[in-house]
Amino acid sequence: ELKVEQNPLFLSMQEGKNYTIYCNYSTTSDRLYWYRQDPGKSLESLFVLLSNGAVKQEGRLMASLDTKARLSTLHITAAVHDLSATYFCAESGGSNYKLTFGKGTLLTVNP
Amino acid sequence: SQTIHQWPATLVQPVGSPLSLECTVEGTSNPNLYWYRQAAGRGLQLLFYSIGIDQISSEVPQNLSASRPQDRQFILSSKKLLLSDSGFYLCAWSAYSNQPQHFGDGTRLSIL
Repeated sequence: ELKVEQNPLFLSMQEGKNYTIYCNYSTTSDRLYWYRQDPGKSLESLFVLLSNGAVKQEGRLMASLDTKARLSTLHITAAVHDLSATYFCAESGGSNYKLTFGKGTLLTVNP
Repeated sequence: SQTIHQWPATLVQPVGSPLSLECTVEGTSNPNLYWYRQAAGRGLQLLFYSIGIDQISSEVPQNLSASRPQDRQFILSSKKLLLSDSGFYLCAWSAYSNQPQHFGDGTRLSIL
């Protein structure tokens, strides 16, 4: 059974600080996705990581993928309040169609 | 550009009543379509997915069903709702296997 584990599940940080969210998965897939969900809203795609060593950056967020370690990270640089949301990683487990989502990390950035 | 529409946005239904949620995608052909449920404060649970008309795969046994009567239309149904069916229902589509899934705005379903 494919497992996707995120940690931490809850993260409270101050503006201007850096932090990393971790996503461990249990299969040898090389496709990993990160999504953002604002409270009461739907999910928005942030990053698609398709190969070992892939790194994508958008603003203060940077995602990376290590398929050998079965680990993806989402690094937050100099956090701002607007980044407050729940972040999900999702992994395909080799399926061409399905994704398995982690439980999400609720990020709160405090002024 | 592609868009996904999901309705209604909010729904309050009594226990035992039927359900029909609709999802349509525009601007693409033969999309993969998905129904997810998100319980309060929890992650996403894949309910159904479809890779083509009348090709539906069920992930979780339950009193829900899905249908795809047209290429870009995906419907989630129930004959009799249970209290445990409450949640946030999300429809999503994707083009190819390595492309991200794109989500609709969701339907918040409350069962009384």
